Amino acid sequence: DGGITQSPKYLFRKEGQNVTLSCEQNLNHDAMYWYRQDPGQGLRLIYYSQIVNDFQKGDIAEGYSVSREKKESFPLTVTSAQKNPTAFYLCASSPDSGKNYGYTFGSGTRLTVV
Amino acid sequence: DQQVKQNSPSLSVQEGRISILNCDYTNSMFDYFLWYKKYPAEGPTFLISISSIKDKNEDGRFTVFLNKSAKHLSLHIVPSQPGDSAVYFCAASGTGTASKLTFGTGTRLQVTL
Repeated sequence: DGGITQSPKYLFRKEGQNVTLSCEQNLNHDAMYWYRQDPGQGLRLIYYSQIVNDFQKGDIAEGYSVSREKKESFPLTVTSAQKNPTAFYLCASSPDSGKNYGYTFGSGTRLTVV
Repeated sequence: DQQVKQNSPSLSVQEGRISILNCDYTNSMFDYFLWYKKYPAEGPTFLISISSIKDKNEDGRFTVFLNKSAKHLSLHIVPSQPGDSAVYFCAASGTGTASKLTFGTGTRLQVTL
């Protein structure tokens, strides 16, 4: 079955450490996205990529980094520079970077800083 | 600057009645609108969408209405069922913003027995 896989589902990080969240899709979608969900703030865009080896900052990119070396994969690194990293992170993909007909989302990773 | 707003953080509706979820937007470049449903600890799932060339789109129990002059859209669920209890996000995209979706803050719907 086609879909998006995010791993791990739960992640704990010590302050000062970098962590990488995995996102893999087998839908052959061109575009991929990372969102962060916080209570009362909806989904905020961190980074997005419309094509391999290219990505753009979203609304809250500070303290995060991404790579897009393969079409199927779009990992997100939460660096120690991110001041408030505890949140629910969602990865998504869409088939056409020119017109959007909706995203397919992964099941999310809950990151907690301890 | 919140370009997509859902002013009601929560809504409680009795089973069998109509649920109406509202969404307002400020960016006149938005031309495509979507509703997503989200259960706790899961990713959102696509529910229904509407293009700006239409003012209504129906899919079973779900209908989305778009009022472009008021920059307002609404999602109607009739009849509401307990399984509809979830957080609903509206989202918008425009031709000038590539494929990015801008999401609202969500409305938590509780359908009671």
